[in-house]
Amino acid sequence: DIVMTQSPDSLAVSLGERATINCKSSQSVLYTSNNKNYLVWYQQKPGQPPKLLISWASTRESGVPDRFSGSGSGTDFTLTISSLQAEDVATYYCQQYYDNAWTFGQGTKVEIK
Amino acid sequence: QLQLQESGPGLVKPSETLSLTCTVSGGSISSGSNYWGWLRQPPGKGLEWIGNMFSSGTTYYKASLMSRVTISVDTSKNQFSLKLSSVTAADTALYYCARHSGGFRDWGLGTLVTVSS
Repeated sequence: DIVMTQSPDSLAVSLGERATINCKSSQSVLYTSNNKNYLVWYQQKPGQPPKLLISWASTRESGVPDRFSGSGSGTDFTLTISSLQAEDVATYYCQQYYDNAWTFGQGTKVEIK
Repeated sequence: QLQLQESGPGLVKPSETLSLTCTVSGGSISSGSNYWGWLRQPPGKGLEWIGNMFSSGTTYYKASLMSRVTISVDTSKNQFSLKLSSVTAADTALYYCARHSGGFRDWGLGTLVTVSS
């Protein structure tokens, strides 16, 4: 299976500051035939199911604030919150669906400093 | 707006079979190119993908669970189901059903299943 490793496991950021979460896959999740990365990001708040934030590594879902952005390709990906708001406190997960054995990163917990 | 709802026993005895159903409303389970999936989250831990059924009926399972998992669909009821056999305490988790189309876009609220005698 493709192993997804997120870093850090947790981070505390001041309101209005940037938060950066990394996700590394043990093999490429880029399909060269369509040049798409089969990598998504979710936000999960306590007591709620996850919410899809970013698809295809960098496409923000409808209704997701533009302070959230995704980047990267191949094996290295980043989720950036450009200006952390109180409502962004959550755990964030990356997930790959490149092959038929889908896997998640272990999660990164974002808190307010 | 698509809605999914998990249902099933909240308590299962060790060595028995966990059975959950996901009822889909607001859309047909047979339409489109969707994956209908089951995931779980042990208390205080991360997300784990269990398996999917594509709208064609093809199923995919996590390798480490493959020998114990079955996902099936009942299109007449617009439901899909999960069976996990020979459960142990390690299978205690919040179980989610979800629709995947370029990401898991629609989720149920989850149902907590505890494995205990």
